Amino acid sequence: GAVVSQHPSRVICKSGTSVKIECRSLDFQATTMFWYRQFPKQSLMLMATSNEGSKATYEQGVEKDKFLINHASLTLSTLTVTSAHPEDSSFYICSARDEEGTVNEKLFFGSGTQLSVL
Amino acid sequence: LAKTTQPISMDSYEGQEVNITCSHNNIATNDYITWYQQFPSQGPRFIIQGYKTKVTNEVASLFIPADRKSSTLSLPRVSLSDTAVYYCLVGDWMDSSYKLIFGSGTRLLVRP
Repeated sequence: GAVVSQHPSRVICKSGTSVKIECRSLDFQATTMFWYRQFPKQSLMLMATSNEGSKATYEQGVEKDKFLINHASLTLSTLTVTSAHPEDSSFYICSARDEEGTVNEKLFFGSGTQLSVL
Repeated sequence: LAKTTQPISMDSYEGQEVNITCSHNNIATNDYITWYQQFPSQGPRFIIQGYKTKVTNEVASLFIPADRKSSTLSLPRVSLSDTAVYYCLVGDWMDSSYKLIFGSGTRLLVRP
């Protein structure tokens, strides 16, 4: 099946710094990518929908200035956590939909990024 | 809000068949039902997808009744490595965008 590559898999940073997470669709094009956040023992929470060539759509309660999303090409979306604080520590997961499929085509998920803010 | 409801947890033993049922009373006509598996510190992995009746692949079967208000994921002869969280999802059109909203999932524990 299709592969979504997410990098880095783990990052530790100091409070106040910014962290960028990359999500790439390796063998397909993705007009739309999604960013999720997951706390320990909890389900995935959709943060935003990343649209190639346009602004991301954020879910209610997600700060767009805090979580900057850029989707500059059909195979790459990035999430930047700006001025990270300890409460931003979480597992971040991206996903992409294979545009060749139907609207109900399954999403392919990256392996996730564990962010730890000290 | 997630459109699905699942049991929070289930226990089983190696070699048994496990059936996880999911309720999706408000499923839309064009929604498919998709199941994912997630291990700790990993992204979800696609298991199976269906629209109606029965779908089978090399790892699972998915049973969907005619009213499509529920679905059952069947895992034949589970092993210890099947211990994971299983999510049932149906699509959701929101703000002109198709999204998958995760529910709580079912935490399956397979015992020796």
